[in-house]
Parts: sequence; structure tokens; C-alpha cells
Amino acid sequence: GAVVSQHPSWVICKSGTSVKIECRSLDFQATTMFWYRQFPKQSLMLMATSNEGSKATYEQGVEKDKFLINHASLTLSTLTVTSAHPEDSSFYICSARDSGQFDRFSIQYFGAGTRLSVL
Amino acid sequence: AQTVTQSQPEMSVQEAETVTLSCTYDTSESDYYLFWYKQPPSRQMILVIRQEAYKQQNATENRFSVNFQKAAKSFSLKISDSQLGDAAMYFCAYRSGTSGSRLTFGEGTQLTVNP
Repeated sequence: GAVVSQHPSWVICKSGTSVKIECRSLDFQATTMFWYRQFPKQSLMLMATSNEGSKATYEQGVEKDKFLINHASLTLSTLTVTSAHPEDSSFYICSARDSGQFDRFSIQYFGAGTRLSVL
Repeated sequence: AQTVTQSQPEMSVQEAETVTLSCTYDTSESDYYLFWYKQPPSRQMILVIRQEAYKQQNATENRFSVNFQKAAKSFSLKISDSQLGDAAMYFCAYRSGTSGSRLTFGEGTQLTVNP
């Protein structure tokens, strides 16, 4: 099956620093990737849709300047949490849609997630 | 906007028995897809099963099957012969067939499998 690699799996940083999370589709091309945030024992909240070669589409209430998304290639999207603060501590998950599949049948494949802890 | 509701925050089942997880959704669309994802303690989201709305036949994947009631907007997941490895958080998700590929998730149901 399709594999999405997310790195790092866990990162601890000091308040005020920036952290970059990478999401790679390993065996397929993905024109569209998604970034989610998940709090403990809660559901996934879509933060933004990442489109290759264009600007990301952010959900209402998500700060674009705080969560920078770059999708520079068909296999890589990055999420940068800028000037991180303790309230940004969370579990971040990416997913990718296989562009090679017909849209009607395409499935989102998920990365293993990144646990961010801001001290 | 579409919404997905899972009314059972927690469920438990004895090993080898059958359990059904409930999911209802609200949409005005006729073309859409429904999914069940599993999130074990590792937190890796795993696709369990999917259903195209235009198909009347319920999807089945080994021990997992769904009861799709389009008129009632219900999409329940049945797990037969439950195994310890089935213990996880289960999320029901909706995707429009016409407007984008984003998923809308339900709140999740935590399934415990008792030996």
C-alpha cells in the first residue's frame, strides 16, 4: 500500500523557536496533502489543505503566519510552526491523496504523526 | 456543511465476539464517500473500510463490514470475531464526491477488546 512518511515523530522545542515538520509520499505523487491537528482523545481537526505549486488553503481560525505550509514538490509538504508557544503543543498529522488515482476513488493516506512539545 | 456524528465515545467487546460502532452524518449531497479509519495507540491512522454512496451493496473487508443506510444517513461498522489488535479509536469520515477531497471526521469511538 501507499506510504506517507512524516518526520520527526516527536520534537521538543523552546518557546519562541520554529519547528518544521515534513510529510513525504514515498511511492506515489500527491498534488494535494492535508495537515491535521489532534488533541488527546479528540478527533482530527483539519488545519489546511496543501496544494503543490500554489498557496495552501487554511481552515477558518488557523493562523497562516503561525503555521506556514510549503508544498514545493509532488512528494513533499512541510508545516512550519513559527514562534512556537506551549499552546501549540499537540499532535500533528499529515495525509496525502494519490494523484494517480481517479479522484472518485482516491484515498487519503496518513503519516504517523508528529508530537510537538513546546517548553 | 457536512457533519459526522459518532454517539458512542467508548465501546467494549469480548474477544471473538461482534461489536457495532455507530455513525450518522448530515449532508445535502447525493455523491459522497464514507470511511472508517482506525487509530491504534501508535496513532497511525489506518483505513478500515470505505463505501461509495451510489453503491447499495454494503462494503465488506474480511471481519469488517458496514451497514449503510443512505436514507437514514447512517453508516455503522460491524467488527466480527473481535481480536485484541482491534482495540483502537475508530473514526467515521465523510468526503464529498464533487467538491474537493477533504475529509470530515466524527468525534471517534474508543474500542476496548477484553480477553
